[in-house]
Amino acid sequence: GGIITQTPKFLIGQEGQKLTLKCQQNFNHDTMYWYRQDSGKGLRLIYYSITENDLQKGDLSEGYDASREKKSSFSLTVTSAQKNEMAVFLCASSPWTGASAETLYFGSGTRLTVL
Amino acid sequence: GQQVQQSPASLVLQEGENAELQCNFSSTATQLQWFYQSPGGSLVSLLSNPSGTKHTGRLTSTTVTKERRSSLHISSSQTTDSGTYLCAIDLGGNEKITFGAGTKLTIKP
Repeated sequence: GGIITQTPKFLIGQEGQKLTLKCQQNFNHDTMYWYRQDSGKGLRLIYYSITENDLQKGDLSEGYDASREKKSSFSLTVTSAQKNEMAVFLCASSPWTGASAETLYFGSGTRLTVL
Repeated sequence: GQQVQQSPASLVLQEGENAELQCNFSSTATQLQWFYQSPGGSLVSLLSNPSGTKHTGRLTSTTVTKERRSSLHISSSQTTDSGTYLCAIDLGGNEKITFGAGTKLTIKP
């Protein structure tokens, strides 16, 4: 079986700071995703990538950049952290483009706090 | 408005009781998936049920597609069932997977 590893597990930043979250998967999956989870809200898609060097914007891409350096890794950058921002960022992967929800595999998340 | 609404937002039960979680969705879904998120952990897929009734272990999901609702029944709950249960619908294409806000389930010993 495979695993998705997100680092760091906890991230504390300052207002205005640029922060980078990393995700690695060893499933050899084509598609990777970044979701944001806020308390009381569903997961919202920030970016996804269907292959190395590909990037596709989700509903919540403003304020974020992403990079798919190689098939196994997908990083997310918060370009300017907002004060009092607290959320969990979840990375996921699926075997192929157009795969359904049942083929999504998730990492354990990065918890962001902005002071 | 939200395309996927889950109720209740939170539920506290005693061990051994049954739990009933609801998911209502506003668009036609090609797929419906229930996920479990452990406290502080990642999401894992529980079962996929776009229509009808499906069972796996102590879980039963019933989806009535034309009424755009699905339920997840957990029988004889255990403390290890505690966590957040998320419903997700697939509108077609991976970018169209939409999640509900979840039901936080707490099972007391």
